[in-house]
Parts: sequence; C-alpha cells; structure tokens
Amino acid sequence: AQSVTQLDSQVPVFEEAPVELRCNYSSSVSVYLFWYVQYPNQGLQLLLKYLSGSTLVKGINGFEAEFNKSQTSFHLRKPSVHISDTAEYFCAVSDKDDYKLSFGAGTTVTVRA
Amino acid sequence: DGGITQSPKYLFRKEGQNVTLSCEQNLNHDAMYWYRQDPGQGLRLIYYSQIVNDFQKGDIAEGYSVSREKKESFPLTVTSAQKNPTAFYLCASSKGLDQETQYFGPGTRLLVL
Repeated sequence: AQSVTQLDSQVPVFEEAPVELRCNYSSSVSVYLFWYVQYPNQGLQLLLKYLSGSTLVKGINGFEAEFNKSQTSFHLRKPSVHISDTAEYFCAVSDKDDYKLSFGAGTTVTVRA
Repeated sequence: DGGITQSPKYLFRKEGQNVTLSCEQNLNHDAMYWYRQDPGQGLRLIYYSQIVNDFQKGDIAEGYSVSREKKESFPLTVTSAQKNPTAFYLCASSKGLDQETQYFGPGTRLLVL
C-alpha cells in the first residue's frame, strides 16, 4: 500500500491569494491520484483526479493539480482563493492494481479576508 | 438525486454497548467501504465489500463488524471490544473495487458517554 505525505498540516492564506498544497507518495509504480475536500462535519467531496494522460488536471472550484512521476508528487493549486475554500484537503493514492485508497493526514486551509 | 446517506449524524455509546451505524446508497454501486477518521489523521479503512454477502477486513477491523445483505446497505457495528470508538465514521461506495473513484457519505460522529 502507498504511504502519502501531506507536507503542511495548516495553511493560512488571505482571500484572493494563491495557494499550493503539497502531496508526495511513496512509490513510483502506476498510480491513481486524488484530491478530496472536507468541509466541517461533512463527508469528503472529490475535487479532481489523475488516472492517466495529461499531467495537469483541472478540477472543480478552480483547483488544479500536477502529477510529477519522477518526484512522486501531486500538488494542488488554486490561483485565487475565496473564504468558501476554508476546509480540510486530503490527498489520496491507489496503485492501479490495488483498490485500496491511502490517504494523507490532511491539510487545513484557512482563508482570511 | 443519487447519493450516500448515513445515519445518525451523531451517536452516543455507553460503555459495553454495541452500536450500529447506517449507510445506504442509491448509486447502484457494487463496492462499499467504511473508514474511520481521527483528528489530524487521514482516513483508515475498517471494512470493505465488493458484492452482496461478501466483505473483507481493512486495516483496522478489530472491534467492528459489518453485513452486506443488500446492495444498497452496508451497516457498521461498533462493538464493546472497540476500546477507543470516539471518531468520525465515513461510508463510501464505488462502481467496483477496480473502479477508481470513491464517493463519500456525510459521516457519523460517534461519542462515548
């Protein structure tokens, strides 16, 4: 199973500023990669996913992520955040031949006016 | 609207008591999962089921039990053997074990009295 590291546990950011959330995983074998968002006391919502093809993936709410196989990374970015982006963000990885989804510990993004 | 429902939203357990968390989906998904989420940690897999009448232990199955008598339903019982049950429990489903995207319910928060 994969090990997933989210390098920042807390990211404070001002409204309309850019944000980047970092995610690294343990193995360079073929993988599926995901970013989920969780608002307080709610379930997880899929932001975007990488299965194959273009390494730059665009998701909902203006988020995008770039898959870097050589660095085993899948960092999430948004060029201009809103107050409503305040949430916890989870990176998740699965090997293509294994259904199991391994999650990072999460990054809490707090957007301030 | 198709989706996953979990009930109750909050659940209180007394010492030595078994409690059951409900998970229902109308997405016609074959695979269903239960995760546990603790503060500052990612999600950990408790049990999963690929098809009706079949289920497998995940990474932290001790103190939990499940059943899968219907495709739509995957209830989780937290038994008295689970010594630290306080957590947020999330149910998810996917088209199959080899279908990459898991969709999550809103969660149940379990607290011990």
